[in-house]
Amino acid sequence: AAGVIQSPRHLIKEKRETATLKCYPIPRHDTVYWYQQGPGQDPQFLISFYEKMQSDKGSIPDRFSAQQFSDYHSELNMSSLELGDSALYFCASSHRDFHHNEQFFGPGTRLTVL
Amino acid sequence: AQRVTQPEKLLSVFKGAPVELKCNYSYSGSPELFWYVQYSRQRLQLLLRHISRESIKGFTADLNKGETSFHLKKPFAQEEDSAMYYCALSGTGTALIFGKGTTLSVSS
Repeated sequence: AAGVIQSPRHLIKEKRETATLKCYPIPRHDTVYWYQQGPGQDPQFLISFYEKMQSDKGSIPDRFSAQQFSDYHSELNMSSLELGDSALYFCASSHRDFHHNEQFFGPGTRLTVL
Repeated sequence: AQRVTQPEKLLSVFKGAPVELKCNYSYSGSPELFWYVQYSRQRLQLLLRHISRESIKGFTADLNKGETSFHLKKPFAQEEDSAMYYCALSGTGTALIFGKGTTLSVSS
């Protein structure tokens, strides 16, 4: 079965650069979540979208923005990158009416800021 | 404040031994509790959720509202159970709040 796809798998950027991470949810899933997991840390919720509208907001810095497009894929845009942004960024998707709204996770994008 | 606490960073047991991974939570309401597992080089995947009250791969977890706990148990650990285990809760929103995780290492 198709799973959540994230692109790219690895990304290396320098300080003050920008980065765009992409997430392709499981087909027919209507909700996308973004999480950030720093080294040795637990995943921290950033932001989520339901039917292309922002549905919940967590600890997402103002330098970051995200959106969900008409085909339900989502992009996380990160500007003025800092060393502390180096982390594994997970995307998860779910459908409110299926699987009790279970979140299915992607493999993550590992961002390294030099 | 909403919080999930996993007091053990690492739990190391021998094959065949019982396992209990502890999880305590803080939430003012009726949360939904989950256990997620991450095997080496694989994505996070759901292991158990309290509303299902089922056993997956021999693991069970019971929600104890009085003690605000959701400990994960398995009577006989197997080497393939070695992984990182995260306890998580979901409150009024649907975002997950994770604990810091416990690494389970099962050796023969």
